[in-house]
Amino acid sequence: GAVVSQHPSRVICKSGTSVKIECRSLDFQATTMFWYRQFPKKSLMLMATSNEGSKATYEQGVEKDKFLINHASLTLSTLTVTSAHPEDSSFYICSARQSNYGYTFGSGTRLTVV
Amino acid sequence: QKEVEQNSGPLSVPEGAIASLNCTYSDRGSQSFFWYRQYSGKSPELIMSIYSNGDKEDGRFTAQLNKASQYVSLLIRDSQPSDSATYLCAVALSGGSYIPTFGRGTSLIVHP
Repeated sequence: GAVVSQHPSRVICKSGTSVKIECRSLDFQATTMFWYRQFPKKSLMLMATSNEGSKATYEQGVEKDKFLINHASLTLSTLTVTSAHPEDSSFYICSARQSNYGYTFGSGTRLTVV
Repeated sequence: QKEVEQNSGPLSVPEGAIASLNCTYSDRGSQSFFWYRQYSGKSPELIMSIYSNGDKEDGRFTAQLNKASQYVSLLIRDSQPSDSATYLCAVALSGGSYIPTFGRGTSLIVHP
């Protein structure tokens, strides 16, 4: 089956610093990956669609300069939260789809900004 | 505006009963339908995918799709307390690059 690996699973950082989250498709190539954030007891919110070799497509209201997405290869997409603030604390999840499978999620990254 | 509607619940069923989760969608062009289970604090896990009208069974789970009525459901037989989670319905056009639309999820509680 399709496996998506996401790291780190948990990170605590200081306000003003940047945090990079990696998302890898382990046994398939993913030209498109999706980045979500989720607040406690709330639904998934799509932040952006990551496209291999081109710029990411951001959803309305998501600051592209704050949430930098790089999809440099067919198996790796990264999300960098720049100049993090406490309000950026959330659960970030990536997703990709392999043919004949549904959209597979990474295990998520719980970001806490202090 | 593509929409996927789910009753937020909670849906409470006794252990051993059948849990029925429902989902409606607005985009008639939708081709792919998925059910995910999400435990608190964890990421969603794919349970079932369905692409054709009718029923699809996998163990205790049965997905039902009716494209004419724009309706997809998930039945969980012999519900267990470990099935207690939020169930997300997702709908997409065909192809991996199409953005899936997720419902808000239905909270299921299976009580002993």
